[in-house]
Amino acid sequence: LAKTTQPISMDSYEGQEVNITCSHNNIATNDYITWYQQFPSQGPRFIIQGYKTKVTNEVASLFIPADRKSSTLSLPRVSLSDTAVYYCLVERGGATNKLIFGTGTLLAVQP
Amino acid sequence: GAVVSQHPSWVICKSGTSVKIECRSLDFQATTMFWYRQFPKQSLMLMATSNEGSKATYEQGVEKDKFLINHASLTLSTLTVTSAHPEDSSFYICSARDKGQGATEAFFGQGTRLTVV
Repeated sequence: LAKTTQPISMDSYEGQEVNITCSHNNIATNDYITWYQQFPSQGPRFIIQGYKTKVTNEVASLFIPADRKSSTLSLPRVSLSDTAVYYCLVERGGATNKLIFGTGTLLAVQP
Repeated sequence: GAVVSQHPSWVICKSGTSVKIECRSLDFQATTMFWYRQFPKQSLMLMATSNEGSKATYEQGVEKDKFLINHASLTLSTLTVTSAHPEDSSFYICSARDKGQGATEAFFGQGTRLTVV
């Protein structure tokens, strides 16, 4: 599985848009890009998944350039409750394929 | 949405004793479940892959005799930490995906905080 690299931490203020970029230079053709959110003392929670171009759901957008060597998670108008660790994962998909977590990005949202 | 439930949420045990953690998929079947360990301020580390009806697959460096995994049904996997020691104190998390789905989200349990004293 491709290794991912993302910033260790980011700071933001309430109401701002936050973009977290992840690089995955060795992504394979069959790989998907998935982002998870984790609050302290909780299990991770799925945010969004994509293969190419742009994906948007009710909480975030995911931008993937044509070469797929990076991806950007965009969180619109963050609030204090968005303070969490965000993990970018590259995965093959399928119920039996394991997920390998990288370091994640600690997003701290301030008032 | 689908739910994965872990029990207990936290446990304190004496050094040398064994502790069992349960992971259940509440509304879907999972032939495969995954067990992770997370130390403070660190990422999740995959320990093993639990396979229904067969032996678990352990990641390199994880002692299979210390971390016993049983996956007896399509909705239940258990992790037993045997002869626990203080260095086993950690946050243990399980996850699973619906076996009927393709590249979709993985569901995680709420985690189990193990403290060995």
